[in-house]
Amino acid sequence: DAGITQSPRHKVTETGTPVTLRCHQTENHRYMYWYRQDPGHGLRLIHYSYGVKDTDKGEVSDGYSVSRSKTEDFLLTLESATSSQTSVYFCASTGLPAFNEQFFGPGTRLTVL
Amino acid sequence: ELKVEQNPLFLSMQEGKNYTIYCNYSTTSDRLYWYRQDPGKSLESLFVLLSNGAVKQEGRLMASLDTKARLSTLHITAAVHDLSATYFCAVDISGNQFYFGTGTSLTVIP
Repeated sequence: DAGITQSPRHKVTETGTPVTLRCHQTENHRYMYWYRQDPGHGLRLIHYSYGVKDTDKGEVSDGYSVSRSKTEDFLLTLESATSSQTSVYFCASTGLPAFNEQFFGPGTRLTVL
Repeated sequence: ELKVEQNPLFLSMQEGKNYTIYCNYSTTSDRLYWYRQDPGKSLESLFVLLSNGAVKQEGRLMASLDTKARLSTLHITAAVHDLSATYFCAVDISGNQFYFGTGTSLTVIP
């Protein structure tokens, strides 16, 4: 299995506070992704990265920003958390080619009160 | 807007029986993926289907892709309890934008 970790694994925060989730992979994968999983919606792509400093928006990017300064790290930031961002967040990565199986991290459960 | 629809959403089946999960999608794509998720866990890749007519099998699971019909199937043969999980299909339309179905929750009962 690809070595992908996420931190923190659980977080409870209050509305309006900034939150950063970290994804770290040890496979030297070029592509990394952030998803959120909500009941009835499956997984929805928030942002993805196709290389260091190269990122793009996904299906549900409003309210989220990302950064990738190193191949192994992909950060997801909620600038001002809202209750609608309560969710389980998964990071994934894949090597070349991009249309290959994605390896998923263990997930982060975020609760915004 | 791309839609990926799975049916059924919930499936309860007896051990030893066969069943098929369907995944329909609304736009052209030659690439479709199947994943498994156990409760409270992450997703595990099952199959990557990269062309029309692709068929892949692993144990009691077999996946196929018909890009003309925009349909993929995941067939379960002689179900066993260990197959109880939620199964997701996902479609890739540009090489890096993945759209997931809502999942099929499978329960295999003795």
